[in-house]
Amino acid sequence: LAKTTQPISMDSYEGQEVNITCSHNNIATNDYITWYQQFPSQGPRFIIQGYKTKVTNEVASLFIPADRKSSTLSLPRVSLSDTAVYYCLVGDHTGNQFYFGTGTSLTVIP
Amino acid sequence: GAVVSQHPSWVICKSGTSVKIECRSLDFQATTMFWYRQFPKQSLMLMATSNEGSKATYEQGVEKDKFLINHASLTLSTLTVTSAHPEDSSFYICSARDVSRDTNQPQHFGDGTRLSIL
Repeated sequence: LAKTTQPISMDSYEGQEVNITCSHNNIATNDYITWYQQFPSQGPRFIIQGYKTKVTNEVASLFIPADRKSSTLSLPRVSLSDTAVYYCLVGDHTGNQFYFGTGTSLTVIP
Repeated sequence: GAVVSQHPSWVICKSGTSVKIECRSLDFQATTMFWYRQFPKQSLMLMATSNEGSKATYEQGVEKDKFLINHASLTLSTLTVTSAHPEDSSFYICSARDVSRDTNQPQHFGDGTRLSIL
């Protein structure tokens, strides 16, 4: 299993773009990268998933370089409600082998 | 789509009692569900993988006789904490994957169950 490493915490001002990077040096060929958001006392919520290059949806973008040893979650123009813990998860294509990282606590400041 | 419902959301009980937590996939079928435990300010810790129609696979260090898992249908998995004690107090979260479309589907999580043992 590819272990992941994320910064423990980050602060950002409202309206700024936030980039959270996850390192996964031992990622396997069949592994996918998934990001989740978790608020206190709630289950994680799916944000975005990707395999390579760039993926974008209505809430975020995911950048994955060619070597796939890291990935960056990009949140455009964050608001106070984006204050949460963000987890990077690397898992194989079956979805049954995966590693949940320690998460990054993002605090958005007014 | 892909909604996972977990019940109850909060339970308080006396030491020595057993507590059952339900995890349901509301709009999809889940052959596999996962059970996690989360302590304050920590990441999710996978406890077991629940497979429909077969025995659950437990992670190392998780007592299978303590945490009974049943996955009798494609939409329901239950976790029973038997003879619960204060050290079992935690936030328990389930997840499920909809693999009807393709295999690399993400996990969808329930909203968790806060278990407090007095």
